Amino acid sequence: SQKIEQNSEALNIQEGKTATLTCNYTNYSPAYLQWYRQDPGRGPVFLLLIRENEKEKRKERLKVTFDTTLKQSLFHITASQPADSATYLCASRASSASKIIFGSGTRLSIRP
Amino acid sequence: DAGITQSPRHKVTETGTPVTLRCHQTENHRYMYWYRQDPGHGLRLIHYSYGVKDTDKGEVSDGYSVSRSKTEDFLLTLESATSSQTSVYFCAIREDRGPVTDTQYFGPGTRLTVL
Repeated sequence: SQKIEQNSEALNIQEGKTATLTCNYTNYSPAYLQWYRQDPGRGPVFLLLIRENEKEKRKERLKVTFDTTLKQSLFHITASQPADSATYLCASRASSASKIIFGSGTRLSIRP
Repeated sequence: DAGITQSPRHKVTETGTPVTLRCHQTENHRYMYWYRQDPGHGLRLIHYSYGVKDTDKGEVSDGYSVSRSKTEDFLLTLESATSSQTSVYFCAIREDRGPVTDTQYFGPGTRLTVL
């Protein structure tokens, strides 16, 4: 079955360092990958989308890459801040065009 | 927030009782989704709708039904609630026009506890 996996359940890093989160997909070839941020008690919020023909996309301190050979997307937050602490979810459309599937998320904690 | 509201925001109910959760959107989006979120499982799709009276099952649809009689409202019903349905339920719409097609916008969630 089509799967999106985020291998790290939790990641703790020092403020100012770059946080790197991983998303792997199996058994299909998504046309794009999305990244969402979720704060406790709230719904996920869309951050970035990267298409299969794009190697890299940036938005302020965020950078996303898409490697179709490795079947992987990396999500980077540079110059991380405690306010970046949240759960980050990777998502993509399944082969059924109506469904979007999510990874289980990585909980990122930035310590001062 | 794409004009999505959910009601109620919190509910405690007893096993065996029927429960209906409501999702309301103000922006006329065609696609609406119901997810549940549990620790260790992430977001799992329960049911979705691609238009008025058009619905389909997701990966965890057993024990749930949905209805969409108007574009703006998508109802999720637990016919006979069980403790395994204790969860946080999120409604979402999918952007299907403009440059950010396929982006999902989520409601604030409903925390349901079944005793």
